[in-house]
Amino acid sequence: KQEVTQIPAALSVPEGENLVLNCSFTDSAIYNLQWFRQDPGKGLTSLLLIQSSQREQTSGRLNASLDKSSGRSTLYIAASQPGDSATYLCAVRDTGGFKTIFGAGTRLFVKA
Amino acid sequence: NAGVTQTPKFRVLKTGQSMTLLCAQDMNHEYMYWYRQDPGMGLRLIHYSVGEGTTAKGEVPDGYNVSRLKKQNFLLGLESAAPSQTSVYFCASSGIKRGALPYTDTQYFGPGTRLTVL
Repeated sequence: KQEVTQIPAALSVPEGENLVLNCSFTDSAIYNLQWFRQDPGKGLTSLLLIQSSQREQTSGRLNASLDKSSGRSTLYIAASQPGDSATYLCAVRDTGGFKTIFGAGTRLFVKA
Repeated sequence: NAGVTQTPKFRVLKTGQSMTLLCAQDMNHEYMYWYRQDPGMGLRLIHYSVGEGTTAKGEVPDGYNVSRLKKQNFLLGLESAAPSQTSVYFCASSGIKRGALPYTDTQYFGPGTRLTVL
């Protein structure tokens, strides 16, 4: 059974710092991996999606990497800003293509 | 283009009551999903649909039923609500069909429904 773990559960950093959020999964047979952002009381917003054949994806200050063999993904945020404060969720879709397993998330707080 | 919308936004039920949550998407997506989010547990898939008229069980389907009579709508029903069903419910959609094969891509989420069962 696929399990997704995100470490750390919470993180507080000063503005301008570069940071890395970690996601690990137990079954390497995945279809894709997606990173989401969730603001308090809101829905999820997709940040980056990495297909199983890809190693990384980039969007602006965000870079996500995928290492299927080790069951790991990282989300790198460059030059963090207070507006980046949110919960970041990692989600793995299985090779059947429809079932998605989420991690519990990392709560990020960027101090001005 | 409204994306994914959910109705209602909030609801309080008494144990044993029934209700239906409505999800609508205007992106012509093939796939739709219902999740529940509980503190410290992340999101868990309840049911999903790979096309109009089809539904399938997810990770935590017990106590819920779904229907997808129209491609743009996905309904989640609670026949006899229980306090354990107190949660935030999210609907999502994905997949634009191209040629003979659906293309499974980014999931787009609705704003959520906060349900409390007393």
